[in-house]
Amino acid sequence: GAGVSQSPSNKVTEKGKDVELRCDPISGHTALYWYRQSLGQGLEFLIYFQGNSAPDKSGLPSDRFSAERTGGSVSTLTIQRTQQEDSAVYLCASSLQGALGNTIYFGEGSWLTVV
Amino acid sequence: KQEVTQIPAALSVPEGENLVLNCSFTDSAIYNLQWFRQDPGKGLTSLLLIQSSQREQTSGRLNASLDKSSGRSTLYIAASQPGDSATYLCAVRDSGGYQKVTFGTGTKLQVIP
Repeated sequence: GAGVSQSPSNKVTEKGKDVELRCDPISGHTALYWYRQSLGQGLEFLIYFQGNSAPDKSGLPSDRFSAERTGGSVSTLTIQRTQQEDSAVYLCASSLQGALGNTIYFGEGSWLTVV
Repeated sequence: KQEVTQIPAALSVPEGENLVLNCSFTDSAIYNLQWFRQDPGKGLTSLLLIQSSQREQTSGRLNASLDKSSGRSTLYIAASQPGDSATYLCAVRDSGGYQKVTFGTGTKLQVIP
């Protein structure tokens, strides 16, 4: 696609429910990143994908968080048994790897509110 | 471990002023450095990308410089406008490993009409 697409753009969920956040990167981009940004805070790295594999998942805050990527394209971030501290905007980004520039492009984010 | 710092955390200037935002990083083994802006409630928009071999990049009223050996980059904004009000973030991509990207905490800029 023309840009990085994320869905849903907004999600309100009850504490304890599971949520899935989707990221559709720019076509052909092999690198995909997930970040979390709490209100007024900086970007917190969650996980990095190169193709379908995740060489760095060191930022996932707990075992309630998981992510996968299929077909070297779409990625899903799943949060199980959501807690109020999970409320944040979840940002996805993609880039070419090993190509000119490696400019990173971000989606508009998925705003998650846990009530 | 790469650490990226941005100073100041917040900046307020009158319209028309030229200003400089600073970004420093601890490990000079970088592949590139990228500047972004983030508007409230929005994602990040790429402004400029500087390769490690470059000293500066320019786009319109924006000029970004890179001094890799000293671990510093600056973003210069000329003739600031109220529409420049946003948070500006720098991100460093390491040259080793899988080229991890580390973000600074940002500088929140307010340009007063």
